[in-house]
Amino acid sequence: NAGVMQNPRHLVRRRGQEARLRCSPMKGHSHVYWYRQLPEEGLKFMVYLQKENIIDESGMPKERFSAEFPKEGPSILRIQQVVRGDSAAYFCASSPWRSGGYNEQFFGPGTRLTVL
Amino acid sequence: AQTVTQSQPEMSVQEAETVTLSCTYDTSESDYYLFWYKQPPSRQMILVIRQEAYKQQNATENRFSVNFQKAAKSFSLKISDSQLGDAAMYFCAYITVETSGSRLTFGEGTQLTVNP
Repeated sequence: NAGVMQNPRHLVRRRGQEARLRCSPMKGHSHVYWYRQLPEEGLKFMVYLQKENIIDESGMPKERFSAEFPKEGPSILRIQQVVRGDSAAYFCASSPWRSGGYNEQFFGPGTRLTVL
Repeated sequence: AQTVTQSQPEMSVQEAETVTLSCTYDTSESDYYLFWYKQPPSRQMILVIRQEAYKQQNATENRFSVNFQKAAKSFSLKISDSQLGDAAMYFCAYITVETSGSRLTFGEGTQLTVNP
């Protein structure tokens, strides 16, 4: 059973370009979370999605960032017109769904974005 | 809002010795989980240990154990018989169970060095 997969593992973009980060959840998981880790900091929540639905995007910057989790295919985190401050490691986690209680999140290896 | 604080940016320990990493948190909720994650240089997030708030017994996983003090909102990690492979960044994290599918809140991390 493959774990959470993220690609690319490393992404280099120039200022003003677009970055697309992909996350394939574990088999059977219908929930995806994105976290950002700035250099020398802990992970910060960005967005929580179910298939075709954004549940909580309270951690997303108001501009340039968007996320989707379509019915088919991976979840995509999209950053438009990247700036140097977007350089970070972006982690995806997935979880199964059980009503009530705690749904364990399994992390992918992360995508390290470098903006030149 | 929940917050997680790790007051030790760096710690070091001699191989085979014991080290304790500190974590405090703030929440008004009564039912939640606490975690310690390990992040080695590969950046993969690895779950080390988990504690349910309503369980009084401290969690233990082999050489890793926690000291959970709910009233004091303290959650420290003890690593016994430290090994070179334990060297990593360690993050304390919190999640509520009062809303299914919640986000993880992380501390800023403690960088652990193990000296041979």
